Amino acid sequence: GAVVSQHPSRVICKSGTSVKIECRSLDFQATTMFWYRQFPKQSLMLMATSNEGSKATYEQGVEKDKFLINHASLTLSTLTVTSAHPEDSSFYICSARDHRETNGYTFGSGTRLTVV
Amino acid sequence: QKEVEQDPGPLSVPEGAIVSLNCTYSNSAFQYFMWYRQYSRKGPELLMYTYSSGNKEDGRFTAQVDKSSKYISLFIRDSQPSDSATYLCAMKSNSGYALNFGKGTSLLVTP
Repeated sequence: GAVVSQHPSRVICKSGTSVKIECRSLDFQATTMFWYRQFPKQSLMLMATSNEGSKATYEQGVEKDKFLINHASLTLSTLTVTSAHPEDSSFYICSARDHRETNGYTFGSGTRLTVV
Repeated sequence: QKEVEQDPGPLSVPEGAIVSLNCTYSNSAFQYFMWYRQYSRKGPELLMYTYSSGNKEDGRFTAQVDKSSKYISLFIRDSQPSDSATYLCAMKSNSGYALNFGKGTSLLVTP
């Protein structure tokens, strides 16, 4: 089946620094990728939708300049948390859509970000 | 009101019990209904997928969709301790790509 690789799985960074999270579709081309944020015991909150070769579409309330999304190829999307603050600490999950299948949504294993 | 409502639990059952998990929704445009299982600190994995109304069975899992009531269910038969996880319902319309998730129900199956 479709596999999505997300790295790193865990990262600790200092306040004010930037962190990049990668999401790769390993065996299919993903024209659309999604980035979610999940707080403890909460659901997945969609942050943005990225389409290969075009600008990401951000959900209301998500700061574009803080959460930079790049989808430069059909197999790679990156989320960069810029000037991270402790309140950005969360679990970030990507999902890639396999256009060959009606329900081809495959999730990465998530990234636990802790900002100290 | 959120578009997708799901009781977060926690739900604790003994091994072998039948588990019933449910979600309600408000958007009548939703046509695709999914159930995901998420273990702690991992990404969700797809369990069941149903299009429109009806039932679908896969091993110990049965998914039901009642569009007239805007209500979906996931049944787990002969529950096992390894079924302990958070179960998320998700749904989408024909026109959109993004999934709309419920909060997730935390399930604990005790030996």
